[in-house]
Amino acid sequence: QKEVEQNSGPLSVPEGAIASLNCTYSDRVSQSFFWYRQYSGKSPELIMSIYSNGDKEDGRFTAQLNKASQYVSLLIRDSQPSDSATYLCAVNPIQGAQKLVFGQGTRLTINP
Amino acid sequence: DAGVTQSPTHLIKTRGQQVTLRCSPKSGHDTVSWYQQALGQGPQFIFQYYEEEERQRGNFPDRFSGHQFPNYSSELNVNALLLGDSALYLCASSPGRDRYQPQHFGDGTRLSIL
Repeated sequence: QKEVEQNSGPLSVPEGAIASLNCTYSDRVSQSFFWYRQYSGKSPELIMSIYSNGDKEDGRFTAQLNKASQYVSLLIRDSQPSDSATYLCAVNPIQGAQKLVFGQGTRLTINP
Repeated sequence: DAGVTQSPTHLIKTRGQQVTLRCSPKSGHDTVSWYQQALGQGPQFIFQYYEEEERQRGNFPDRFSGHQFPNYSSELNVNALLLGDSALYLCASSPGRDRYQPQHFGDGTRLSIL
C-alpha cells in the first residue's frame, strides 16, 4: 500500500463546475496535510494546508480533512481553465518533522 | 522578497559523471529539503538540512549527498550518475522552528542523463 494515494486521472470538469480531488493516506499519526498545484514543466505551488478535522476555505478552494477515515480532499468551486494542472496531495507523516510524502498527483482539466 | 532559488535550470550529464545542484532558501527560512520528481510521479523526499546537518533522509543511496552552508543555502551532489537519475530536482525551504509550516518550492533543476 502506498503511503499517499491519489487517483491519477485525468479528471475532466466543465468550466464553472465544482472539481473534487481526493487523497488517502496510510500513516495514522500524520499531522499536516497540504495540496500543491503543479503546472506542466513547473514546480509545485502551495494552495492549501490543513491540520485539523473539518473544512478549511480559501477563496474558491476548500480543503477537507477526516483523520478517522485518513482522507483529505480538495474542492475547487467555479472551476476556471487556468485551474487545469496536476494537483499533488502531500502529507507530513512524522510528528514534529517536516518530511513530505506526496501522492502521484491528479491531472485536472477544466473544459471551457 | 525572494523566494526559493535554484541553479542551474537545466543540466545535461553522461552516465558516471558527478553533478552539484544549488539552492538558496526563501528569506527567513533555515531548513532546506531536496526532492526528486520523475516524469508523471509525485516528488520523492531525498533529505533535509537544518543547522548545517542532515536531519532526515529518504530512501536514496549514498551517491546522493548534500551540504548546508552557514547562510542556509544548500547543495545536492550526485555521484556516479545513472540513467535513472534523470528527473526534476526540487528544493524546498521552510522555517525550522515551526515544524508544521508548509514547504515552499523553487523552480527546480531538470537533470538529463545521456
